[in-house]
Amino acid sequence: ETVMTQSPATLSVSPGERATLSCRASQSVSSNLAWYQQKPGQAPRLLIYGASTRATGIPARFSGSGSGTDFTLTISSLQSEDFAVYYCQQYNNWPPSTFGQGTKVEIK
Amino acid sequence: EVQLVESGGGLVKPGGSLRLSCAASGFTFSTYSMNWVRQAPGRGLEWVSSINSGSSYIYYADSVKGRFTISRDNAKNSLYLQMNSLRDEDTAVYYCARDTYGDYHQDYWGQGTLVTVSS
Repeated sequence: ETVMTQSPATLSVSPGERATLSCRASQSVSSNLAWYQQKPGQAPRLLIYGASTRATGIPARFSGSGSGTDFTLTISSLQSEDFAVYYCQQYNNWPPSTFGQGTKVEIK
Repeated sequence: EVQLVESGGGLVKPGGSLRLSCAASGFTFSTYSMNWVRQAPGRGLEWVSSINSGSSYIYYADSVKGRFTISRDNAKNSLYLQMNSLRDEDTAVYYCARDTYGDYHQDYWGQGTLVTVSS
């Protein structure tokens, strides 16, 4: 099973600042990496797939990069609605697809 | 508009059974692979099971293999999860989620149904 490790666990950022979230895979997942956003009491929402392709309706301030084992989600200028938990998911070495433990982006 | 609506959650004793349902609308259900993903209280996401459009390929997480059964009824636009021999650690919100067409990540999710296993 491919283990996904996200860092940091919590990221404190001021509105308007840039946030950089990391995700590392225990073995190569090629570019088969997705990012999801989850707000309290809500279902996850797909942000990025294929490591760098934004899902339908996702603002351009969200961008993804990386391949192989190291990936990054960048939020260029945090808006109030972006404070949430973010999960990465690999779907290359499937089944099972596996998720990271999440990074909580909180208001500084 | 794509909609996925789960039902069937509730409180059940250890060793008991429960059947979850997911009603799909707004897309051609019969052409998409579907999944169940769960989230224990205060924890992260865990993939549980997947089924392809024609039910010919079915997969389970090791943690539920032999206890849970995924199925679908394309005529009724519905996905199911039969859960037997439930354990405390199965307590979670269970989400129904659609695979992006031709890929293995999930582009639409339901709001989830809570399953609580407790004596």
